Amino acid sequence: QVQLVQSGAEVKKPGASVKVSCTASGYTFSDHYIQWVRQAPGQGLEWMGWINPDSGGRNLAQKFQGRVTLTRDKSIGTASMELSGLTSDDTAVYYCARVIFGVVSGPNYGMDVWGQGTTVTVSS
Amino acid sequence: DIVLTQSPLSLPVTPGEPASISCRSSQSLLHVAGDNVLDWYLQKPGQTPQLLIYLGSNRASGVPDRFSGSGSGTDFTLKISRVEAEDVGVYYCMQGLQGRITFGPGTKVHLK
Repeated sequence: QVQLVQSGAEVKKPGASVKVSCTASGYTFSDHYIQWVRQAPGQGLEWMGWINPDSGGRNLAQKFQGRVTLTRDKSIGTASMELSGLTSDDTAVYYCARVIFGVVSGPNYGMDVWGQGTTVTVSS
Repeated sequence: DIVLTQSPLSLPVTPGEPASISCRSSQSLLHVAGDNVLDWYLQKPGQTPQLLIYLGSNRASGVPDRFSGSGSGTDFTLKISRVEAEDVGVYYCMQGLQGRITFGPGTKVHLK
């Protein structure tokens, strides 16, 4: 079945970086944009950015520009999100999610398949 | 960025009764292609978000037909025709106009 499987939980110290991976299966990885969304404890959903797995094109929320790097490896069907300069405010569950329509439609649309989430804890 | 406002933020419900949630946008979400770029998600307790409605009014695959979405431009509504106990959780609206996404604050639906 169509699914996104994310890497495991991470515990990091302030100032460190973390890299979360998201591996697709059950569909053609290059056919759908991947979005990244995070959720701090007890809070709502916050969009981080997207990547076009086919072209590698990407867009980040202004808040994360300069701190987040989105990459993908088409050969293994994996997208990754790296966040640097971690602070306690970055403690959250990080999700990748597939955009419902194909890449030709653009990234603007709903996310129909979500990864299971990766908990990142930043603590000294 | 486009701001989404949801109301109410907390909604007590009774199984078998209808329920509705409003989502208002600071800008029109009507895309040049004629679609409203507005989606609804449900995050059940302890679970990942799931897509309910996309493009304002289209039910996602596997979503029960008691869920419906309506509206256009800046005002949107999610309706549940007859609430079931499994519908509790936080409902979010989301917009994707111009490729920059924002979510509403969420509406917590809980049993009375």
